[in-house]
Amino acid sequence: QQQVKQSPQSLIVQKGGISIINCAYENTAFDYFPWYQQFPGKGPALLIAIRPDVSEKKEGRFTISFNKSAKQFSLHIMDSQPGDSATYFCAASTSEAAGNKLTFGGGTRVLVKP
Amino acid sequence: NAGVMQNPRHLVRRRGQEARLRCSPMKGHSHVYWYRQLPEEGLKFMVYLQKENIIDESGMPKERFSAEFPKEGPSILRIQQVVRGDSAAYFCASSPKQGASNEQFFGPGTRLTVL
Repeated sequence: QQQVKQSPQSLIVQKGGISIINCAYENTAFDYFPWYQQFPGKGPALLIAIRPDVSEKKEGRFTISFNKSAKQFSLHIMDSQPGDSATYFCAASTSEAAGNKLTFGGGTRVLVKP
Repeated sequence: NAGVMQNPRHLVRRRGQEARLRCSPMKGHSHVYWYRQLPEEGLKFMVYLQKENIIDESGMPKERFSAEFPKEGPSILRIQQVVRGDSAAYFCASSPKQGASNEQFFGPGTRLTVL
């Protein structure tokens, strides 16, 4: 019940295109859904996060869409740039558990071609 | 304000040796998390600590692994008698408080290779 499933595993998009990554979760107690960006050899960096009381959040070229009834959320990267080439992880946590540990999806490797 | 610091960045051990990974959280952060990332996989939670206390170790293997976060000094993840399956990237994250935002800031990781 703690799983977060992420798809696709990899994605190739042309510069200027839209990258879409999807995640699904099972635990209805999850109430915080962040997305992390990771470059090779680096630690994950928080990109954007959402709570289930809103259906969409936008920050610059990055948008999270959230569907509580379907228990799904997605990341859209608009106008994708070569510098966006990285691995993206969705995650989830619940404030009911001590410490709010993050449960991560398996990751999506995004390659933006110039 | 320096970010989360981890050292060493790379660590090579032979089977049976001990590995010690260190994590200094961001200034003012009293919550530390350790995660493990196997090649081509996502991060898996290992343990959550506050100063001098282990709060949640549900993701820690029962044997050979231990963690501490003393009153003074960095948090330490210790792996005794390492095996090849321990080869992974180990990430530490810190947060200033438990609760609503739960933003966790990650360090650069320690990449452990067991020969």
